[in-house]
Amino acid sequence: GQSLEQPSEVTAVEGAIVQINCTYQTSGFYGLSWYQQHDGGAPTFLSYNALDGLEETGRFSSFLSRSDSYGYLLLQELQMKDSASYFCAVNTDSNYQLIWGAGTKLIIKP
Amino acid sequence: SAVISQKPSRDICQRGTSLTIQCQVDSQVTMMFWYRQQPGQSLTLIATANQGSEATYESGFVIDKFPISRPNLTFSTLTVSNMSPEDSSIYLCSVEGGAGGRGEQFFGPGTRLTVL
Repeated sequence: GQSLEQPSEVTAVEGAIVQINCTYQTSGFYGLSWYQQHDGGAPTFLSYNALDGLEETGRFSSFLSRSDSYGYLLLQELQMKDSASYFCAVNTDSNYQLIWGAGTKLIIKP
Repeated sequence: SAVISQKPSRDICQRGTSLTIQCQVDSQVTMMFWYRQQPGQSLTLIATANQGSEATYESGFVIDKFPISRPNLTFSTLTVSNMSPEDSSIYLCSVEGGAGGRGEQFFGPGTRLTVL
């Protein structure tokens, strides 16, 4: 089968740095995406890694190691508005279908 | 980026009835996706809808229960047929595209369905 594993919940303090990990086992792999979803909202795209290494976009960075089937999302200078669920998702074939992880609820404390 | 609207935003329905959800995109797109998401849970892909061809359903979802139309490159509908309380969920449509390549999808705001 195909699976993605990520922690169910992570707690951090405002202004701190937090890392959300994702490991995957899929039949194919084209890339790893990260999405943010606030309560009651729709998922919004954060990043996509097709190659090994670190991608930085403002306060958010995403890392991929294809050999380890592993990636992470790094959030810096945490703000209260970053409280949300974060999903990793894998693109497993040549079309745009994604397989989704269960999501990580990020709780930020002042 | 694409802007997506969905109708209705929410509905409460009686068991045994059907509801059709509309998804409208502000630009032409090839692939549209329909998802189901229980509150606090992950997204489950129901089907992929390409214009001009039959929708492709994921395991556990069948056309008789979730018929999909894709009449043009900016519009799609998902019908939830013969509803039961187990169909209560949030239904989301999404489209591919954007600079994020294969990994980027744009989502509509969702339709919150409650079946009594």
